[in-house]
Amino acid sequence: GGIITQTPKFLIGQEGQKLTLKCQQNFNHDTMYWYRQDSGKGLRLIYYSITENDLQKGDLSEGYDASREKKSSFSLTVTSAQKNEMAVFLCASTTPQGNTEVFFGKGTRLTVV
Amino acid sequence: QEKVQQSPESLIVPEGAMVSLNCSFSDSASQSIWWYQQHPGKGPKALISIFSNGNKKEGRLTVYLNRASLHVSLHIKDSQPSDSAVYLCAVSRTGYQNFYFGKGTSLTVIP
Repeated sequence: GGIITQTPKFLIGQEGQKLTLKCQQNFNHDTMYWYRQDSGKGLRLIYYSITENDLQKGDLSEGYDASREKKSSFSLTVTSAQKNEMAVFLCASTTPQGNTEVFFGKGTRLTVV
Repeated sequence: QEKVQQSPESLIVPEGAMVSLNCSFSDSASQSIWWYQQHPGKGPKALISIFSNGNKKEGRLTVYLNRASLHVSLHIKDSQPSDSAVYLCAVSRTGYQNFYFGKGTSLTVIP
């Protein structure tokens, strides 16, 4: 079995700060995702990538950048943290052969003060 | 854009009860439907999937898909306190890498 490791687990930032979240997977999966989970709003897709150096915008990409420099890693940057923002960011991965399970990391909890 | 709605928002049941969770989706082209379980502080974990109209049983779990009504349900038989978690419904089209998630149902099973 594989694992998805997200760092850091907790991130406290200041308003306007640029913040980077990192994700590593050892499944050898081609496709990776970043989701944002807010209380009462479910999971919303920020970015996904179907292969190294590929980036696809999700419904919530504004205010974020992403980078997929290696097959095993996918990073997300909050370009300007918003005051009082609080959410969990989940990284996930899967194989591209349709109808396959998506595996998730444990998440990074962001708090902006 | 696919819309996925789940009901109820929360559910409290005694141990041993049958639990029924509902999910409706908007795109009839959605082919792949998954149920995920998420415990506090953890990432979602896939429980069961269904791709064809009808039902599928795995252990205590049964999932029913009705494409005509754009509805899928998850039933948990003989619920246990360890089943207490948030249950997420996720749908996507075959060939698409984008999954759409519902807001989830929070289940509490009382011993």
